[in-house]
Amino acid sequence: DAGVIQSPRHEVTEMGQEVTLRCKPISGHDYLFWYRQTMMRGLELLIYFNNNVPIDDSGMPEDRFSAKMPNASFSTLKIQPSEPRDSAVYFCASSRPGTGNQPQHFGDGTRLSIL
Amino acid sequence: AQTVTQSQPEMSVQEAETVTLSCTYDTSENNYYLFWYKQPPSRQMILVIRQEAYKQQNATENRFSVNFQKAAKSFSLKISDSQLGDTAMYFCAFKRGAQKLVFGQGTRLTINP
Repeated sequence: DAGVIQSPRHEVTEMGQEVTLRCKPISGHDYLFWYRQTMMRGLELLIYFNNNVPIDDSGMPEDRFSAKMPNASFSTLKIQPSEPRDSAVYFCASSRPGTGNQPQHFGDGTRLSIL
Repeated sequence: AQTVTQSQPEMSVQEAETVTLSCTYDTSENNYYLFWYKQPPSRQMILVIRQEAYKQQNATENRFSVNFQKAAKSFSLKISDSQLGDTAMYFCAFKRGAQKLVFGQGTRLTINP
């Protein structure tokens, strides 16, 4: 079975540019999560969706960040304009519906570097 | 808000030894789920083991087992017969319902040959 697929694996861009990260969840999973990992803050949730609907976006740092899930098999996380402090590894994860014991399956992450 | 604390930033043991990683958490909830994830240098986040809070029996997965102490809010991971491939960052995580994972800061484990 294919796991969670993220692209690109690495992204290097200059400050001020728009960045789009992409995620394809595992088929049949109706929860999708975006996490950010930094040395200073560790792993933190940015936003999550259930059945393509955003449920909790309280972790989105500011208006420069936006996320969409137009269908069950695709999600994007966009940063516009990007800043050096956005440099981090961004993970997408998905999980099955269930009572909560369903683990979240992670993609390989996108390492984003803003120069 | 729930918090997860891993008090050991780094640990190092010899191959074949047993090692225990500590994790404590703070919650007022009664029903929740706990997980250990492994992050090797390849950056993947790999599920190691999970525990439902309503289950008294400690979870085991081959060489990996947990010591879940609900009253003490403690969830430690024991790795038996450690192998070089166990070298990784290990994250303890808490989840209530079908919601976000709250992660600890991680423990960097090195297995030496």
